Formats: sequence, C-alpha cells, structure tokens
Amino acid sequence: EVQLVESGGGMVRPGGSLRLSCAASGFSFEDYAMSWVRQAPGKALEWVSGIKWNGGSLGYADSVKGRFTISRDNAKNSLYLQMNSLRAEDTALYYCARDGGLVVEPAYFDYWGQGALVTVSS
Amino acid sequence: EIVLTQSPGTLSLSPGERVTLSCRASQSVSSSYLAWYQQKPGQAPRLLIYDASRRATGIPDRFSGSGSGTDFTLTIRRLEPEDFAVYYCQQYGSSPPLTFGGGTKVDIK
Repeated sequence: EVQLVESGGGMVRPGGSLRLSCAASGFSFEDYAMSWVRQAPGKALEWVSGIKWNGGSLGYADSVKGRFTISRDNAKNSLYLQMNSLRAEDTALYYCARDGGLVVEPAYFDYWGQGALVTVSS
Repeated sequence: EIVLTQSPGTLSLSPGERVTLSCRASQSVSSSYLAWYQQKPGQAPRLLIYDASRRATGIPDRFSGSGSGTDFTLTIRRLEPEDFAVYYCQQYGSSPPLTFGGGTKVDIK
C-alpha cells in the first residue's frame, strides 16, 4: 500500500523557517517524481514545487521562488521542503504528492499524503 | 501561466442526477494534459481522471472526462451520496507552474 506521511508543520512567526518532510512507503520511491501542493484554509489547491526522481528540479511556483527549496533523499525514501522567509500568505495545509505521469513531469498526482499544517502568524 | 476557470462555483443537486462540470483554460492545454480530482472535507484530493479522459485506478465508470484545447468537462452519470464533494481540474501541459482550477462544489439539494 502506498503511503505518504508528512511531518514538520507548525506555527512560525513571519520571516521564520520550517522544514517539512514526507516519508514514503509501499512503492519504489526512487522511480517517481514528487511534488508539494498546498491548500490555504477554504481555498483551492496550489502547486508549490516538484522534483525529478534523480533530484533535478521541476520548478517552483512564483509565489515561493527564492524562498522555498525542494529536495529528496532516495536512500531514506523521503521528500523535503525547506521554507524560509515565511509570510502570512504561506499559511496552508501542505501535501506531499506522487507524480503519476509517464511522459511529462510534473504531471498529475495519483497518491497524496494527509498534509502538514503550516501557520505563519505573529 | 495557464489559468483554469471552473464553473459553476457551486451546484446543488439530488442523488441520481447527472452532473456536468466545466473547466476552461486561458490557452490551449497541450496534448490534453488535464486531470480531475475529488476532495471531501478533511481529506486529501483523490485523482479521478488524467489525460482528460482516462479514469484512474479504482474510479467507478459513472465518472467520465472529455474535452480538448481549452474546454474540458467532467461528467458524473448518476450522482451517488458519496459523490458530494469539491472537484478540481489541473493542467500539466505547460509547466512550471502546474495550475489548478478554483474548484466546483457539488452539494446536496
């Protein structure tokens, strides 16, 4: 069974940093691109960033470019999101998602974690 | 960046009805690289359709997707009680960034 479990969320002051982690199991993690997708309270989904199977970047949303960094450790079956210079508008539930695409990356997401809540507030 | 507009924002329907949800793109979506997701309160999104018309694993055949270019549709042939949720479209033909629509809520009349 595919499982994605996020951790590292919490409350942080504006300008602060957090590092999210996503532990993957039930599939060959090193074979798949992965992404982070966020959802502010009561709002729509927003793609944040993606990463290829080999660690190559698939890009960032303009809203987080230069502040967030995605990375992965295939030996640990883990995905990460380093978030710096956090703003109130970064408050959201952050989902880790597996990329199901075979032709293009990033593509669609066939498995999702339950999310890690990040709250940025003074 | 491709902007996806979903309409209507909310639909109030009864079980057994047929529903058609619309997703319109601000420019053509390459190779019909469009997906649909269902999200229920307190849950992560679930993939329903990818490549505009391919059902994901385990998705009932009452769900179908169609369209190309800038106009896409998700149809639920006969609403079941468990289908009341929010539905999102997402394009992956032009990225970064991937983009999602604003969602359509299907609630019980």
